[in-house]
Amino acid sequence: QIQLVQSGPELKKPGESVKISCKASGYTFTDYAMHWVKQAPGKGLKWMGWINTYTGKPTYADDFKGRFVFSLEASASTANLQISNLKNEDTATYFCARGRQLYYFDYWGQGVMVTVSS
Amino acid sequence: DIVLTQSPALAVSLGQRATISCRASQSVSTSSYNLMHWYQQKPGEQPKLLIYDASNLASGIPVRFSGSGSGTDFTLTINPVQADDIATYYCQQSRELPPTFGSGTKLEIK
Repeated sequence: QIQLVQSGPELKKPGESVKISCKASGYTFTDYAMHWVKQAPGKGLKWMGWINTYTGKPTYADDFKGRFVFSLEASASTANLQISNLKNEDTATYFCARGRQLYYFDYWGQGVMVTVSS
Repeated sequence: DIVLTQSPALAVSLGQRATISCRASQSVSTSSYNLMHWYQQKPGEQPKLLIYDASNLASGIPVRFSGSGSGTDFTLTINPVQADDIATYYCQQSRELPPTFGSGTKLEIK
């Protein structure tokens, strides 16, 4: 069955970096895009961008340009999200989600809670 | 960005019909597709795709979920509502980038 399994929760200090992984199984990894979605505590969903799993090309939403990097370990069917120079407002749950051609998301990872606190 | 507006909450009785609405700030339909999608999210869980392209039931989703609409006005219907349906429901458009989500409608039991 199709699964996206993400890494565990993270507690970081402001200014530090974090790397979150999303391992896909049950389908051909390079056939579908991988998207990233942020959910701040008690808030709604915000699309961060996506990575073409065939070419490795990332695309970032405007609010996520600069400190956010999408990458792949295609041989391991894994997508990664790295956030540098963490800020308090980065405290959120980050989901990976498999993207369909018309930009909807049919399978989601379980989410990774990142807490940024001094 | 396209703004999607949802009511914050809806209270219904078990066994009754729930109608959740989503209004877009501009049309999300093309000549071929109505690019509105619906997700269910329970507390502490990831979102789950329910409906894609306004009216297509996602794999494994019970037929008591249905979607309709075009242009700027869309509806998710749950009939009949069961206790397991208590969750927050989000609409999402993909007519224009960036994809945007509504703020969610929390379904409560009366």
